[in-house]
Amino acid sequence: EAAVTQSPRSKVAVTGGKVTLSCHQTNNHDYMYWYRQDTGHGLRLIHYSYVADSTEKGDIPDGYKASRPSQENFSLILELASLSQTAVYFCASSDWGHSYEQYFGPGTRLTVL
Amino acid sequence: GDSVTQTEGPVTVSESESLIINCTYSATSIAYPNLFWYVRYPGEGLQLLLKVITAGQKGSSRGFEATYNKETTSFHLQKASVQESDSAVYYCALGEPSSGQKLVFGQGTILKVYL
Repeated sequence: EAAVTQSPRSKVAVTGGKVTLSCHQTNNHDYMYWYRQDTGHGLRLIHYSYVADSTEKGDIPDGYKASRPSQENFSLILELASLSQTAVYFCASSDWGHSYEQYFGPGTRLTVL
Repeated sequence: GDSVTQTEGPVTVSESESLIINCTYSATSIAYPNLFWYVRYPGEGLQLLLKVITAGQKGSSRGFEATYNKETTSFHLQKASVQESDSAVYYCALGEPSSGQKLVFGQGTILKVYL
């Protein structure tokens, strides 16, 4: 059974609208991450969190907010979606002390029109 | 900044042939990065294929292997005989051996294995 799940799996949003992507993990991991992947590019880190109720900025945080209300859940929020945020978004989790290995969700394909 | 470059895909190989996917990295802010290969099968999330955290060491898994070469800053993925089930997207990545474990990924290489 999948340990990291994402919802929705795909979404079409309008420019200027609010989008929330959700991630849930059953690994009991401390760390959670949000990445985006654009066609022809590698995954880039947007936000991450190492404990509930705390988030950290990754390499490309502009235009995104994150929320970690519990150890299991980590959301990515686009308050004002823009065309440039069309991408595939991946959530991942990892364990403190064994954090070399990240466990990924299947991804969410977001299209902003 | 830190970066990873890998073979442009798609790479198309006949079953039972050998494979090499090149990966080179630049770790300007990390003295001794950890190196990884992840694989993404259709419809699934990325999963760790192999990792090496010490320069000069080789990692292996499912018939794949990669050697951490600090001199050439490379971590090429090799397999002697591929199978159709190896068709997937392969990602090379480097990470900081400290808290946070932020990963820097290459762009991914699509591998297609045909019968």
